[in-house]
Amino acid sequence: NAGVTQTPKFQVLKTGQSMTLQCAQDMNHNSMYWYRQDPGMGLRLIYYSASEGTTDKGEVPNGYNVSRLNKREFSLRLESAAPSQTSVYFCASSGTGGPEKLFFGSGTQLSVL
Amino acid sequence: RKEVEQDPGPFNVPEGATVAFNCTYSNSASQSFFWYRQDCRKEPKLLMSVYSSGNEDGRFTAQLNRASQYISLLIRDSKLSDSATYLCVVSSHSGYSTLTFGKGTMLLVSP
Repeated sequence: NAGVTQTPKFQVLKTGQSMTLQCAQDMNHNSMYWYRQDPGMGLRLIYYSASEGTTDKGEVPNGYNVSRLNKREFSLRLESAAPSQTSVYFCASSGTGGPEKLFFGSGTQLSVL
Repeated sequence: RKEVEQDPGPFNVPEGATVAFNCTYSNSASQSFFWYRQDCRKEPKLLMSVYSSGNEDGRFTAQLNRASQYISLLIRDSKLSDSATYLCVVSSHSGYSTLTFGKGTMLLVSP
């Protein structure tokens, strides 16, 4: 069972470069999320999509955009990467168990130089 | 203002020991509580929900104290495989963006 799949696992960018993090889930979940995790801080929500066709800002949306391509896929785009966006990014999904019961992807380690 | 606070640890315990972690939350309107487990360099995984009356799942017991605004996780008969970071998660109301994650408590179980 694949669950939530994220790509890439690692990425190094230069300041100002752009990139898209891909996420797909095969659990038929309606809701998908993007979190970032920084040392010494709890996971923080960037954006979420409660259902196909909708997206909403989370706690730290600045510098990011998202696309809910279909029910399975939810991508995160950094248009102009900054060193402050160096972090570990996790995609997650939730289904009938409720929005608090998250299934996470394995994460993307992003470094912006 | 820290909404969810945890002792970062690490808690170093021998195999077979009993260990307990606490987590305090500041929002008295918080409604739902969870413990997630995160292995080193891995994704978080839901360990268990925390119910008002307390609940048990095998060697793990979770309790909620609303009056004092804290939740706890007790692990009995610790295994090497329990070594991980335990994240306290609090939801202020039902919704998709209301989860607050604690920074986690690291547990190291040694032979």
